[in-house]
Amino acid sequence: DIQMTQSPSSLSASMGDRVTITCRASQNINRYLNWYQQKPGKAPKVLIYDAISLVRGVPSRFSGSGSGTDFTLTISSLQPEDFATYYCQQSYNTPRTFGQGTKVDIK
Amino acid sequence: QVQLQESGPGLVKPSQTLSLTCTVSGGSITSDDYYFSWLRQPPGKGLEWIGYIYYSGTTYYNPSLNSRVTISVDTSKNQLSLRLSSVTAADTAVYYCATWLLLHGYHDYWGQGTLVTVSA
Repeated sequence: DIQMTQSPSSLSASMGDRVTITCRASQNINRYLNWYQQKPGKAPKVLIYDAISLVRGVPSRFSGSGSGTDFTLTISSLQPEDFATYYCQQSYNTPRTFGQGTKVDIK
Repeated sequence: QVQLQESGPGLVKPSQTLSLTCTVSGGSITSDDYYFSWLRQPPGKGLEWIGYIYYSGTTYYNPSLNSRVTISVDTSKNQLSLRLSSVTAADTAVYYCATWLLLHGYHDYWGQGTLVTVSA
């Protein structure tokens, strides 16, 4: 199985801050990397696929970068609705493994 | 817009079999755009992919659960099902069904999730 490791596990930030979350794969996954946002009590929502492609309807303040084993999710200016937990998931092969999550809360 | 709704018992005894159903509306389970997936999330923890199925019956399972899990589809009812045998407290989780969009390779539609507790 491909292991996905996110950092940090949690972070505190203020509205308007630029936030960066990293995800590392245990082997080369090219650009087969998704990012999801999950709010308490809700199902996850996909934000980015193929490492850099924004899903339709997702605000442009979200962006993704990386390839190979190292990836980044950036929120350019944190908004109140962005306080949530973020997960990366590899789509390179099965099982479709996730990172452990990064919780973004209010400073 | 595809909608998914999980249903099934909220409480299962240890060693028994967990059985859940996901009803698909607004789309067909025979769509060749999707695999239909099961995932789970233990309380306060991260997401785990259980497996998925194509309407033809082709399945892919997480090897960590492979010997205990069965995913199936009922095309006449537009439903997919999950069976997980020999459950323990470690199987306590919110269980989600979700679509896997083949074109781009991500879970796009999700059910609301259903909490299953394993306890005597």
